[in-house]
Amino acid sequence: EAGVVQSPRYKIIEKKQPVAFWCNPISGHNTLYWYLQNLGQGPELLIRYENEEAVDDSQLPKDRFSAERLKGVDSTLKIQPAELGDSAVYLCASSAGQGASKRGSYNEQFFGPGTRLTVL
Amino acid sequence: QKEVEQNSGPLSVPEGAIASLNCTYSDRVSQSFFWYRQYSGKSPELIMSIYSNGDKEDGRFTAQLNKASQYVSLLIRDSQPSDSATYLCAVDRGSTLGRLYFGRGTQLTVWP
Repeated sequence: EAGVVQSPRYKIIEKKQPVAFWCNPISGHNTLYWYLQNLGQGPELLIRYENEEAVDDSQLPKDRFSAERLKGVDSTLKIQPAELGDSAVYLCASSAGQGASKRGSYNEQFFGPGTRLTVL
Repeated sequence: QKEVEQNSGPLSVPEGAIASLNCTYSDRVSQSFFWYRQYSGKSPELIMSIYSNGDKEDGRFTAQLNKASQYVSLLIRDSQPSDSATYLCAVDRGSTLGRLYFGRGTQLTVWP
């Protein structure tokens, strides 16, 4: 079974430039998450989708960050304009959600490889 | 107080020993608890989930949960150098199902 796919793996941009990250979740997973991880810290949630609906975006800096999950499968996270402090690893994760058939597994989250963003 | 706190580490154990990783959480209504392993430069990998008080064993890994004490731990038996990584504790608070709160992680080194 294929895992969560993310691209690009690495991105270097200059400040004030836009950048976009793409994520394809595990097949059949209804819930998709975008996390940000700084060095030496645990991941922090940016946004959570249940199918197409963003159900938790309270931590997303909406002045510069946006996300979409058209058709409830792939998702894109965008930053415009990027700032120096946005340098971090951006992780996408997915989980089966409420429709999971295996007891207790509905909220097990599986991470993609991440995108390491460097803003110069 | 942070949502999830882990013993600061780094933790260093010899090969074959038991490594004990600890985590406390602040929200009493938390329902789901996870341990992730993260190798340097890689993304977190789920290794254990636990939902009920007591122990859950999977191979060399045992997760222990005590909701009354708001404490969850991970024991790694017969530690191997390949277990050297950062271990992240994550908690799914009952009030915000789906959002995981992560600790900062404990760095484990297993030396041969």
